[in-house]
Amino acid sequence: DQQVKQNSPSLSVQEGRISILNCDYTNSMFDYFLWYKKYPAEGPTFLISISSIKDKNEDGRFTVFLNKSAKHLSLHIVPSQPGDSAVYFCAASAPSGTYKYIFGTGTRLKVLA
Amino acid sequence: EAGVAQSPRYKIIEKRQSVAFWCNPISGHATLYWYQQILGQGPKLLIQFQNNGVVDDSQLPKDRFSAERLKGVDSTLKIQPAKLEDSAVYLCASSLRDGTYNEQFFGPGTRLTVL
Repeated sequence: DQQVKQNSPSLSVQEGRISILNCDYTNSMFDYFLWYKKYPAEGPTFLISISSIKDKNEDGRFTVFLNKSAKHLSLHIVPSQPGDSAVYFCAASAPSGTYKYIFGTGTRLKVLA
Repeated sequence: EAGVAQSPRYKIIEKRQSVAFWCNPISGHATLYWYQQILGQGPKLLIQFQNNGVVDDSQLPKDRFSAERLKGVDSTLKIQPAKLEDSAVYLCASSLRDGTYNEQFFGPGTRLTVL
């Protein structure tokens, strides 16, 4: 039962262009969403988050969009840089008491110089 | 600020052997998490501690996995006996407090290979 899905295992983008990573979820109780970035041999690091009361959150080159009716969120990276090459995980959480995160399977982004 | 420390970084064992992983969270972080990340999948929460008490261990295979967090700081995760399907990266994370949405800070993980 995969409640958080990232259907694209990999994505290649030219340097300077936009990268769009997608994430779908099935649990309508989720009300907080995050994106983590992971480099090889390192733990995931927090990138950006969004609460369900918003539909957009920006932090520099990174913007997350949330479409609650479609149960879909996306991460936009503009402009993409070679250092952005990593695996990106989306995660979701519900106010269940433990506030635990459910992670997607990840999308490997490769930014080509 | 020092990050989450984990050891060992790599471990290779035979099936049916035992193994233990150690985690030292960020100083002052009350909540500690152990995740299992199988190749090609996202991290899956095994157990969550608030100080030295367990708040969620619903996905911990309790017949072979155990974890403790003595004195509310360091934690150990043990597998006894290991199976082939336990091959994965075991990630430890910590966050400042529980009861709300917190950024979780992850350690580098321990890569376990069970032969």
